[in-house]
Amino acid sequence: EIVLTQSPGTLSLSPGERATLSCRASQSVSSSYLAWYQQKPGQAPRLLIYGASSRATGIPDRFSGSGSGTDFTLTISRLEPEDFAVYYCQQYGSSPRITFGQGTRLEIK
Amino acid sequence: QVQLQESGPGLVKPSQTLSLTCTVSGGSISSGGYYWSWIRQHPGKGLEWIGYIYYSGSTYYNPSLKSRVTISVDTSKNQFSLKLSSVTAADTAVYYCARFTRGSSWFFDYWGQGTLVTVSS
Repeated sequence: EIVLTQSPGTLSLSPGERATLSCRASQSVSSSYLAWYQQKPGQAPRLLIYGASSRATGIPDRFSGSGSGTDFTLTISRLEPEDFAVYYCQQYGSSPRITFGQGTRLEIK
Repeated sequence: QVQLQESGPGLVKPSQTLSLTCTVSGGSISSGGYYWSWIRQHPGKGLEWIGYIYYSGSTYYNPSLKSRVTISVDTSKNQFSLKLSSVTAADTAVYYCARFTRGSSWFFDYWGQGTLVTVSS
């Protein structure tokens, strides 16, 4: 089973700052199968990044993804007030096919 | 625009079977290239993939839930369903249906709004 570990658990930043969120896999993950989601309270997750680095439709270019193998990063270049939320990474691979990281909470400092 | 909507009881008694249906609109469930999925989120916790089904009926389940889960599809109604048997309080969660897209990359691109299911007597 591939375990995704996200860090930090909580990130406290101010609007305008840069956010760097990490997702580390217990085994190598194909970049094609690594995605990032944003979830706000009371809402379903929203796809941000797929294929480790491709932005989903309608996602602002301040969001970017990078990485390969076991280390992946989601970067938000300049935080907007609406970016404060919980972020999850997700991989597709061997059993149990699909796993999510435990999430990083991005909160306003 | 594809939309998904979960429906079903919000309260289920312990030891009974949780049953939910996801209705897909704005696209055909029979379109190839997609796996129709169930995901749950325990209160205040992260996301747990339950399983998915292809329009042909092929299913894949999370091994941790496999013994209790059945996912089925009704292409004539453009719906797919989840049954989770022998539920306990630990199954209390928000249940989401979602579309898992297969292509050069694989990801969940459309989600339902989620429905809270509480297991309690």
